[in-house]
Amino acid sequence: AQTVTQSQPEMSVQEAETVTLSCTYDTSESDYYLFWYKQPPSRQMILVIRQEAYKQQNATENRFSVNFQKAAKSFSLKISDSQLGDAAMYFCAYKNSGGSNYKLTFGKGTLLTVNP
Amino acid sequence: NAGVTQTPKFQVLKTGQSMTLQCAQDMNHEYMSWYRQDPGMGLRLIHYSVGAGITDQGEVPNGYNVSRSTTEDFPLRLLSAAPSQTSVYFCASSRQAYTGELFFGEGSRLTVL
Repeated sequence: AQTVTQSQPEMSVQEAETVTLSCTYDTSESDYYLFWYKQPPSRQMILVIRQEAYKQQNATENRFSVNFQKAAKSFSLKISDSQLGDAAMYFCAYKNSGGSNYKLTFGKGTLLTVNP
Repeated sequence: NAGVTQTPKFQVLKTGQSMTLQCAQDMNHEYMSWYRQDPGMGLRLIHYSVGAGITDQGEVPNGYNVSRSTTEDFPLRLLSAAPSQTSVYFCASSRQAYTGELFFGEGSRLTVL
């Protein structure tokens, strides 16, 4: 079974600085999807960024980018120019692609604090 | 644009009581799912559905039932509530089952005494 590990239960960053959240995963599959989800204090979770394993180029969404290292099974999230609104719990998630596997596996989350 | 709507947002039950958490989406999404979130555990999949009339078990299905009679609705039933089911429950949907790009509801906090 696939597992997702987020080794940093909590992180903090100064406003306008850059922070990187770590995620590693374990799989024997070659094709899959990776995600970062954000859960603000209001609780509703939203998708931040998505990466397809067959794509070598790292995904980017505005101030959010990933460092995808397939051989190392690592998928870190970099937040540039951190803003107060970035404070949230961040979850890394994995999903096999194709076939009949419809399940996402989530890590335990990293709580990010943004200091003014 | 309501998205994914969960009701109720808060509920307190006594051990042994039954209840249904409602979930509705207005985006014509094919895939719907229920997760529970517990401190230090992340999100764990309870049940999911890839279309009307089709449901399957996730990682922690015991004590829960689901049905999908329409595309829009995916209720989660607790048959006989136990304190171990105290949790925050999230319903999530996706346009297509395989994409993994989930839209979440606001969550339902359930306490079982």
